[in-house]
Amino acid sequence: QQQVKQSPQSLIVQKGGISIINCAYENTAFDYFPWYQQFPGKGPALLIAIRPDVSEKKEGRFTISFNKSAKQFSLHIMDSQPGDSATYFCAASRGGFNKFYFGSGTKLNVKP
Amino acid sequence: EPEVTQTPSHQVTQMGQEVILRCVPISNHLYFYWYRQILGQKVEFLVSFYNNEISEKSEIFDDQFSVERPDGSNFTLKIRSTKLEDSAMYFCASSLTGKNTEAFFGQGTRLTVV
Repeated sequence: QQQVKQSPQSLIVQKGGISIINCAYENTAFDYFPWYQQFPGKGPALLIAIRPDVSEKKEGRFTISFNKSAKQFSLHIMDSQPGDSATYFCAASRGGFNKFYFGSGTKLNVKP
Repeated sequence: EPEVTQTPSHQVTQMGQEVILRCVPISNHLYFYWYRQILGQKVEFLVSFYNNEISEKSEIFDDQFSVERPDGSNFTLKIRSTKLEDSAMYFCASSLTGKNTEAFFGQGTRLTVV
């Protein structure tokens, strides 16, 4: 059972454009939704996270939009930069112990 | 900035051999995890560890796998008899608390079973 579905698999955006990555989840018990950024040869690093009691969270150029009724959440990267080129994973967890269910990842390429 | 470190970065082993993957979590963290990522697939949870015992494990984490915190700084994953399908990137992670907080990941150990 695929707990978290992520799309698109890859994304090419021009510098200055908006990158949008979408995720959908199945388990309504999930209560924490982080986004992780991974550069080649590195481990995933937390970018931004949201809890289901809010519909949006913004940190700098990164925004999570959360739709609880649709069981969907998305990452928006405003003014995308070549340095943002990485693989992005959405994830979800419930209860304790940070057991994350990861999406399949989106490889973002920001063209200069 | 504190970080999770893993050794080795790449391990090649023969099928049936035992391997131990090592991790040094962030020093004041209390919760420890192992995840794996088979090439081209998603990151999957293996096990979480707290207070010197396994708190949760996935169905992947069968009797061939074990974890240990042998001293105050290291956290290890042992695979007793490796199979070809164990080839993957293994990530160690740690967090200060166990619930809905930032988990810090290491850079990973690429395990290749031949």
